[in-house]
This record gives sequence, C-alpha cells and structure tokens, in this order.
Amino acid sequence: AQSVTQPDIHITVSEGASLELRCNYSYGATPYLFWYVQSPGQGLQLLLKYFSGDTLVQGIKGFEAEFKRSQSSFNLRKPSVHWSDAAEYFCAVGSSGGYNKLIFGAGTRLAVHP
Amino acid sequence: DAMVIQNPRYQVTQFGKPVTLSCSQTLNHNVMYWYQQKSSQAPKLLFHYYDKDFNNEADTPDNFQSRRPNTSFCFLDIRSPGLGDAAMYLCATSRDQVNQPQHFGDGTRLSIL
Repeated sequence: AQSVTQPDIHITVSEGASLELRCNYSYGATPYLFWYVQSPGQGLQLLLKYFSGDTLVQGIKGFEAEFKRSQSSFNLRKPSVHWSDAAEYFCAVGSSGGYNKLIFGAGTRLAVHP
Repeated sequence: DAMVIQNPRYQVTQFGKPVTLSCSQTLNHNVMYWYQQKSSQAPKLLFHYYDKDFNNEADTPDNFQSRRPNTSFCFLDIRSPGLGDAAMYLCATSRDQVNQPQHFGDGTRLSIL
C-alpha cells in the first residue's frame, strides 16, 4: 500500500538559516509527489510537484525538492528561511486508488526564530 | 483569479442540528473533493466527485453526505453533527487527468456546541 512518512513532527530554525524537511514514500511504481504548505487557519497551497524528468524540482516561494528513487525520498529544501515560512508542510503521493487521490504524510510544523 | 471558495469560513452549530458547508470553483475542474482535518493532523478524504459520479471513502460515516448540483458547486451535509465532527473541512478540485495536483479552498472551521 502507498504511504508517506514525514519523520519530523516539529522543526525550529532561525531566520536566514537553511531548511530541509524530510519525506519518504512507499509506492510500487514511479510516484507522483507533491509538497503543500498550510498556514494557520488556511487551506493547502501547492509548493511544487514531481511527475517525471529532472529530479530537482523548483517551486514557489524559493523552495525546491529533490526526488531520490534509491532512497524513496522527496525532501524539501530552502536555502534561507523567512519568518513568513512558519507553517505546516505536507508531503503527499498520488495514489493509484482513484482519480488523483492523495496520500498525505502527517505533516511537519515549522517554527522560525527571529 | 480562478479559485476554490468555501463558505462560510467559520460555522457554529448545535449538537445534532444539520449543517451544510458550501464550495464553489471557477477552475472548471471535473473532480471535487471534501476533506476533514482535525487539529495537527493531515487532511482525511471523505469523498470525491468525478463530474456527477460520487465516490465515498470506505470509512466515511453515513452522517456525512454530499451534493454536486453542477460543475461549479459542491456541498457537504452533516446530518446530525456530534462533538467529534468539530474540525476544519477542506474542499479541493483537480483536472480529471491522472495525478494532476489538487487545488484547495481556505476551508470552513466547524464548531459544535
């Protein structure tokens, strides 16, 4: 069965520091992978997606993610974090179980210290 | 801008009193989804529509129903809300090609008195 694991529940970084959020997936074929961000009281906003091709994917707000098949990972990175990046981040894999059904990870809550 | 709009943003209802949440979209997407999200948890899919074809998740309680009168609108009906139904409810849409990203509304926060 497809699954997504985000090992870190909470991460705290200082403003201006680099960031890496981890995501591991379990999927039998080539996965379709997404990162979403959710600010408090808001819906989910798509940061980036991987379908095929270049394994380094650029997204909005200065984020990027790298697909590593050998490690079953799709980690999200940002070179310099801003205070406005404080939010919940969800990794998701597209499921074969239905039209565009997403399997979400449990999420990583990012706090940013000034 | 094309978008997914949920109304109201905040809804308070009484225990056992039916409530309806609304979602509209200007993206002209074939597929619409309803999720339930409790505090500090990932969204949980309740059901989705592909056009008028309704698809219920196996573990969605019978208390939750949905209607999609046309492409643009979708409603979530909770027939007899219990305290455990207090949550954020998210609507999302996508194109009908396989593995297109989902586009989310800002959600409705439901409280039960």
